[in-house]
Amino acid sequence: GEDVEQSLFLSVREGDSSVINCTYTDSSSTYLYWYKQEPGAGLQLLTYIFSNMDMKQDQRLTVLLNKKDKHLSLRIADTQTGDSAIYFCAEIETGGGNKLTFGTGTQLKVEL
Amino acid sequence: GAVVSQHPSRVICKSGTSVKIECRSLDFQATTMFWYRQFPKQSLMLMATSNEGSKATYEQGVEKDKFLINHASLTLSTLTVTSAHPEDSSFYICSAKEDTIYFGEGSWLTVV
Repeated sequence: GEDVEQSLFLSVREGDSSVINCTYTDSSSTYLYWYKQEPGAGLQLLTYIFSNMDMKQDQRLTVLLNKKDKHLSLRIADTQTGDSAIYFCAEIETGGGNKLTFGTGTQLKVEL
Repeated sequence: GAVVSQHPSRVICKSGTSVKIECRSLDFQATTMFWYRQFPKQSLMLMATSNEGSKATYEQGVEKDKFLINHASLTLSTLTVTSAHPEDSSFYICSAKEDTIYFGEGSWLTVV
């Protein structure tokens, strides 16, 4: 099956930028997503990128996609304590309809 | 954006009983919904694809007789955990696609 990997932890100071990385194996992924999960809560869609794009920016969020290396990143500018959460990248399985394969999740901790 | 709602958000049940979780698309029709399971501090694993008007498609290793899925209308899918066991305690979350993929708030199941 498809494999999506993320580093488990990231700690940054408030006001700095955070970069969360994700690697995937399905070279024919069409869409890649970033979700945020706060403790005890469901998933919040942050942003997504179509596979023919290299970059997408949405306010403090910048998504970079390197399709050749199958690498996806999420940059959060001016990180705030409210950004502390687990961040999941996910890809659409090729030929799998709208099923998502999730990464392992990265826990972001923002320190004062 | 589109909204997917789950109910209940938290439920406690006794071992051996059955519990039903509902997933509703509030402002759009969804012929397909997906059920995921998340163990504490882990990623989300797809359990099954719920198809309106037909049988659900289960992922490998998921017991279809234990996790009953019914998708009787275009806006409602239900997951029933039968003969619940403490090992079934988990976070269950559904998703549906409109312009993009939206997740419900999730349901915490605790089997005692």
